[in-house]
Order: sequence, then structure tokens, then C-alpha cells
Amino acid sequence: NAGVTQTPKFQVLKTGQSMTLQCAQDMNHNSMYWYRQDPGMGLRLIYYSASEGTTDKGEVPNGYNVSRLNKREFSLRLESAAPSQTSVYFCASIKFKGSANEKLFFGSGTQLSVL
Amino acid sequence: GNSVTQMEGPVTLSEEAFLTINCTYTATGYPSLFWYVQYPGEGLQLLLKATKADDKGSNKGFEATYRKETTSFHLEKGSVQVSDSAVYFCALRDNFNKFYFGSGTKLNVKP
Repeated sequence: NAGVTQTPKFQVLKTGQSMTLQCAQDMNHNSMYWYRQDPGMGLRLIYYSASEGTTDKGEVPNGYNVSRLNKREFSLRLESAAPSQTSVYFCASIKFKGSANEKLFFGSGTQLSVL
Repeated sequence: GNSVTQMEGPVTLSEEAFLTINCTYTATGYPSLFWYVQYPGEGLQLLLKATKADDKGSNKGFEATYRKETTSFHLEKGSVQVSDSAVYFCALRDNFNKFYFGSGTKLNVKP
């Protein structure tokens, strides 16, 4: 199993450009997350999808949109990129069926620079 | 709102020294608590967890006890190794299954 796969690994954008970060998991997980990681601020939740067809805002949703395309895939879109969105983005997923298995699985990250 | 506060780093120790990384939290309800570790260029990996008060999570020589009275979940290891050098994140999961992370503490272990 590949686990959580994010693409691309690196991206450079100009201010105002748009792009979509892709995330897919092959573990039949129910819940998926998008985080951004900035120096000194840890990981901050952008959006969350409890299950297929549902999405919810996290701590820092402004400037982003998400789509839970199906159970496997959860994409993050920047409609008009800004330098403040320069960050490392992580996708994560977890099973959540009322079980004791609460392990959050992370992708390897997307390093995004907005010039 | 929910939040996690952990000690700022970097923390620099010599091999075989004792490690403590402090973590406190603010949450409504009954959160589960976690420590995650991040090695350079990688995503986060679960190190240990505790799901209720007084539970002790442990893994690879690391331990942390869920203290509800002090809202803390401090990470400890009796003897660190060079291979433990990484960034450590304290986290909580709230009743709505959202995870909140602290700012991370970088640990450097010197031979």
C-alpha cells in the first residue's frame, strides 16, 4: 500500500496564479485533512472532511477551497495564490469507525512557494 | 477554542541525557492526546498516544502521561540517542475528530 500520496512535491507560483494540490489515500479511510506547516507555528488545519461528501473549515481556511471527490481523494485549491500562502502543505487521513485505532497517516508534503 | 502549547526549541542534548518536552492543552470535552515525530523531509509519524486521563502512552523508550488536573502531556525519555534527533509535535483530537497541533520542538542530540 502507498498510504497517503500527495502531488506535486514542489511548486512555484506567481502571485494570482491558481493551482490544485492533490491527495489520495488507499487505506479506505473515512476522514481526511489538509494542514499547512509554517516555521514556529506548527501545523494548522485548513480544511477537514469527516467522510465522503462532507467538508468543514479548520483554523485557517481563507484563500482555499477543497473537494472531497470520492472516498480516496481530497484536493486543495488555491484560486489566487498570495505570498502568505508560501508554506509546506500536508494531507492526512484516518479511519475513524469508533475503533481504538486513532492513527493519523500523513503524506510526505508539498512545498509551495508563491512569488 | 482548542489549542496545544509546547516548549520552544531547539533542545540540544548529549547522547544518553534525559529528555523532557513540555506540552499543555486547552480543550472542551474529553480530548485524546498524541505525540508525533517528524524527521527531515518527511511527514509526521505517530509516536505515542493516550485516550483518557491518567493513561500513559509509550513507544521506543518515550513516555507521556495524560494529566487532566494540569492539562498536560509531557514527553520524556530516559536516555536519548542521536537517532532521536527530529521535530516533536504534541497534538489533541477533539470530540469532532479534528486534530490540533502544537508548534513543534526541534531536538538535536549530539554524540
